[in-house]
Amino acid sequence: ELKVEQNPLFLSMQEGKNYTIYCNYSTTSDRLYWYRQDPGKSLESLFVLLSNGAVKQEGRLMASLDTKARLSTLHITAAVHDLSATYFCAVDIVDKLIFGTGTRLQVFP
Amino acid sequence: DVKVTQSSRYLVKRTGEKVFLECVQDMDHENMFWYRQDPGLGLRLIYFSYDVKMKEKGDIPEGYSVSREKKERFSLILESASTNQTSMYLCASSLLVARPVGEQYFGPGTRLTVT
Repeated sequence: ELKVEQNPLFLSMQEGKNYTIYCNYSTTSDRLYWYRQDPGKSLESLFVLLSNGAVKQEGRLMASLDTKARLSTLHITAAVHDLSATYFCAVDIVDKLIFGTGTRLQVFP
Repeated sequence: DVKVTQSSRYLVKRTGEKVFLECVQDMDHENMFWYRQDPGLGLRLIYFSYDVKMKEKGDIPEGYSVSREKKERFSLILESASTNQTSMYLCASSLLVARPVGEQYFGPGTRLTVT
């Protein structure tokens, strides 16, 4: 069974700190996406990773993809309150996306 | 910007009713998808469509059907709503004609409550 596992599922972190969210998947794929969801809202696309070794950065967030390890990371640098949200990774398996269960991030002062 | 709209943000229906959820995208995307999102279960794919009048079952199609009569519109139908179909329903679309499916753009969601 195809699995996409994120960890941690819940992350409470202080402003200014760094942390990494991990996304492991169990099948071959070289395309992975990261989404953000604010409470009560829909999913917003953050990053599109299309090959092994891909790295994308936007503000305090940086995503990377290692297709050989079947691992993607979302690194948060110097967290701020505005980053509080749920983050999903999604693996592209040709005809559909398989989503991870999400990581709920809470940033406090 | 890609825009995906859904007919209702909130909907309350009674058990046994037939329910229609509508989704429209304005960017001429080929692919459209319906998901449901439940706490602790993430997003689960119900149905998807690659072209007009085409549909494919996702991971949890039981109790649902879909219709795609026009390229821009994808409807999700609950033939006889049940309380276990209370959920957030998300529609998405993606551009790519050839697979893989590519980045998906999501609508605002419909929170359906079945009483």
